[in-house]
Amino acid sequence: GAVVSQHPSRVICKSGTSVKIECRSLDFQATTMFWYRQFPKQSLMLMATSNEGSKATYEQGVEKDKFLINHASLTLSTLTVTSAHPEDSSFYICSASGIGLADYNEQFFGPGTRLTVL
Amino acid sequence: GQNIDQPTEMTATEGAIVQINCTYQTSGFNGLFWYQQHAGEAPTFLSYNVLDGLEEKGRFSSFLSRSKGYSYLLLKELQMKDSASYLCAVRPYGNNRLAFGKGNQVVVIP
Repeated sequence: GAVVSQHPSRVICKSGTSVKIECRSLDFQATTMFWYRQFPKQSLMLMATSNEGSKATYEQGVEKDKFLINHASLTLSTLTVTSAHPEDSSFYICSASGIGLADYNEQFFGPGTRLTVL
Repeated sequence: GQNIDQPTEMTATEGAIVQINCTYQTSGFNGLFWYQQHAGEAPTFLSYNVLDGLEEKGRFSSFLSRSKGYSYLLLKELQMKDSASYLCAVRPYGNNRLAFGKGNQVVVIP
């Protein structure tokens, strides 16, 4: 199956700093990548959808200036949490779909990044 | 908008069968997915239904009724490693985004 990686797997940072999370598709071209956030015992909440080479589409209530998304290539998307605060502590998961998959629309998930803001 | 509803938690014995239900109300429909998620890990794909009926995949089966906005995931011959959260997600028609339910936590006991 298709493989999606995320880096880092865990990050702890101080309040006010920025954190960058990378999402890579390893064996297919990800024309679309999705970023989710999951709080404990909650569902995955879609934050934004990014298509390669264009601006991300953010879900209602997600601040685009706080959560910067870049999808500059067909294998890499990055999420930067700017000026992180403790309430941003969460599990961030990316998924990808695209060219080279049996189902163009199927999403494959990365392993997630646990962000803790002190 | 989308509304996905799942019961929250259930306990079952090793070797048993468990059924996890999911009801949905969405603005469109282009498929329903079931994912398994272990604590602290990303979801892994289990099954996909877009037409009415039952899809069987080894110990896991998934059923869909589009007219009722209803799906279930059937787990047979439960194993301890099946202890996880099971998420249903609906893909609205015309786009690739998924709307997830809260997930159903299954705890398998010996």
